[in-house]
Amino acid sequence: EIVLTQSPGLMSLSPGERATLSCRASQSISSNNLAWYQQKPGQTPRLLIYAASIRATGIPDRFSGSGSGTDFTLTISRLEPEDSAVYYCQQYGSSPPLTFGGGTKVAIK
Amino acid sequence: EVQLVESGGGLVKPGGSLRLSCVGSGISFSSYSMNWVRQAPGKGLEWVSTISGNSNYIYYAESVKGRFTISRDNAKISLYLQMNSLRAEDTAIYYCTRGRGYTFGFSDYWGQGVPVTVSS
Repeated sequence: EIVLTQSPGLMSLSPGERATLSCRASQSISSNNLAWYQQKPGQTPRLLIYAASIRATGIPDRFSGSGSGTDFTLTISRLEPEDSAVYYCQQYGSSPPLTFGGGTKVAIK
Repeated sequence: EVQLVESGGGLVKPGGSLRLSCVGSGISFSSYSMNWVRQAPGKGLEWVSTISGNSNYIYYAESVKGRFTISRDNAKISLYLQMNSLRAEDTAIYYCTRGRGYTFGFSDYWGQGVPVTVSS
């Protein structure tokens, strides 16, 4: 089973600042099968990024994903108040289990 | 508009059973794997089970294996989760999601979630 570790657990930033979220895997993730989700308080998770760097439909270009192997990053280039949420990474592929990271909470000051 | 709508949750005593349903609309269903993902109160996301489009492949998390059964009816655009021998640690919001790209694909669509509470 691939274990995903996200850091930091919590970040507090101001609008307009850049947020850099990390997701580290316990072993190499094949084909960059890494997704990112956003979950706002009281809401359902929403797909942001898949295949490590491809934005899902309707996701603003201030969200970008990068990385390969065991180290992946979600960057929010210019934070807006509505970006306050918990962000989860997930690895996927041809065999179980699907695993999620523990999440990073982004708070906007 | 794409929708996945779960139902069937509620309060049940330890050892009891519940059957969750998820009905899709406006969504391509039969050729995609479907998942159940849960989230315990104040906690992160946990994969529960996956069923392939043709139901040939079914997998469970170790924590629910032997107690939960996933199934689907493509004609009814529906996904199910039969939950038996429920435990307090099964208390969570249960989401149905569509898996894309692989049998264990990323979840491009999510239902709104249905709460399950296991308590005496």
